[in-house]
Amino acid sequence: IAGITQAPTSQILAAGRRMTLRCTQDMRHNAMYWYRQDLGLGLRLIHYSNTAGTTGKGEVPDGYSVSRANTDDFPLTLASAVPSQTSVYFCASSARQGGSYNEQFFGPGTRLTVL
Amino acid sequence: AQSVAQPEDQVNVAEGNPLTVKCTYSVSGNPYLFWYVQYPNRGLQFLLKYITGDNLVKGSYGFEAEFNKSQTSFHLKKPSALVSDSALYFCAVSGTNAGNNRKLIWGLGTSLAVNP
Repeated sequence: IAGITQAPTSQILAAGRRMTLRCTQDMRHNAMYWYRQDLGLGLRLIHYSNTAGTTGKGEVPDGYSVSRANTDDFPLTLASAVPSQTSVYFCASSARQGGSYNEQFFGPGTRLTVL
Repeated sequence: AQSVAQPEDQVNVAEGNPLTVKCTYSVSGNPYLFWYVQYPNRGLQFLLKYITGDNLVKGSYGFEAEFNKSQTSFHLKKPSALVSDSALYFCAVSGTNAGNNRKLIWGLGTSLAVNP
């Protein structure tokens, strides 16, 4: 079944540790996104990629990095986790670059707790 | 500044009654408008969108939304609510400015509770 997978489903992480959240889509979408969802703050864009080989900063990029080596994968790395990065993280993709008329498809999310 | 507002944090309706979840926006140009739904512990799912044409848009699960340019609104509606419609609903808008970094602007979400 086509869609987006994320791993892990959930993770508890000690502060200062490095963590990579994985995201893979099999829809051959050009654009991919990472959001964090926090109560009362809605969805906030962390980083995005309009196409393989390019990335861009979103609304809240500090403390996070991404890479887009190929069309399917878009990992998000926390170099040194801090408690304020406790959140639910969603990966999404769309057929065209951000802001187009194509809807975004979302993964199931990763619940991350940083202690 | 471009923005999306969902003025109600929570909407409560009785099963079988019509429901409305409100969304207003402020963007330059002609916007693309979207509604998404999020069920508990799940990712967001696309419901419907307005790009151009007929102001009344029909989407998944019997939902529809009406684009009102003069009121800059895009309210989500359903004639008869189901308990299974209980979820978090997000409105999003994309401006149509030229450039490579057009991204969705998201509302904060409205929690819909449909009571049996």
